Amino acid sequence: GEQVEQRPPHLSVREGDSAIIICTYTDSATAYFSWYKQEAGAGLQLLMSVLSNVDRKEEQGLTVLLNKKDKRLSLNLTAAHPGDSAVYFCAVSVNYNVLYFGSGTKLTVEP
Amino acid sequence: EAGVTQSPRYAVLQEGQAVSFWCDPISGHDTLYWYQQPRDQGPQLLVYFRDEAVIDNSQLPSDRFSAVRPKGTNSTLKIQSAKQGDTATYLCASLRDRLNERLFFGHGTKLSVL
Repeated sequence: GEQVEQRPPHLSVREGDSAIIICTYTDSATAYFSWYKQEAGAGLQLLMSVLSNVDRKEEQGLTVLLNKKDKRLSLNLTAAHPGDSAVYFCAVSVNYNVLYFGSGTKLTVEP
Repeated sequence: EAGVTQSPRYAVLQEGQAVSFWCDPISGHDTLYWYQQPRDQGPQLLVYFRDEAVIDNSQLPSDRFSAVRPKGTNSTLKIQSAKQGDTATYLCASLRDRLNERLFFGHGTKLSVL
């Protein structure tokens, strides 16, 4: 089955810096790619999703890059602020019915 | 629009005890998922339903876990005899199975088995 690896497990940046999180996956049939944010005591919040025909998507200070050749997905938070501090998960799916999640990245943005 | 509702928010058990988790999905969402999220890990699918039918329960430990969705709306996940390794947050999510519809998660039930 699909294996998803996410790195780094912890990331600390200063306010205004960028933060990059990377996931790799194994199934070449993977067609749906997404990023979730989980704040303490809250549910998972979808940040952005892309289909396999998209290489790059930008939205509200977030950039998702998809490299299908290397089976790599990344999330770039440009100009991070303290409110971005949370745990971030990538999630991928072959058919959109079942999501496979990475292990999470705890992001801390220091003022 | 109300979100996905789960109860209880927290549960603390001794090993061997039973517990049930309840999920009320968003109205009109035909697909419902139960995920298990151990501490400091990503969610892992346990089971999912379309309407009242189980679509995939291959990751559900069938000797102790069971899940039902009898009327295709609310769902219950039950652990018959909890083990310490079951300590995790149990997340329910729902989806209207149409193209480009997004998945919504509940806040989860945090289970501690002592």
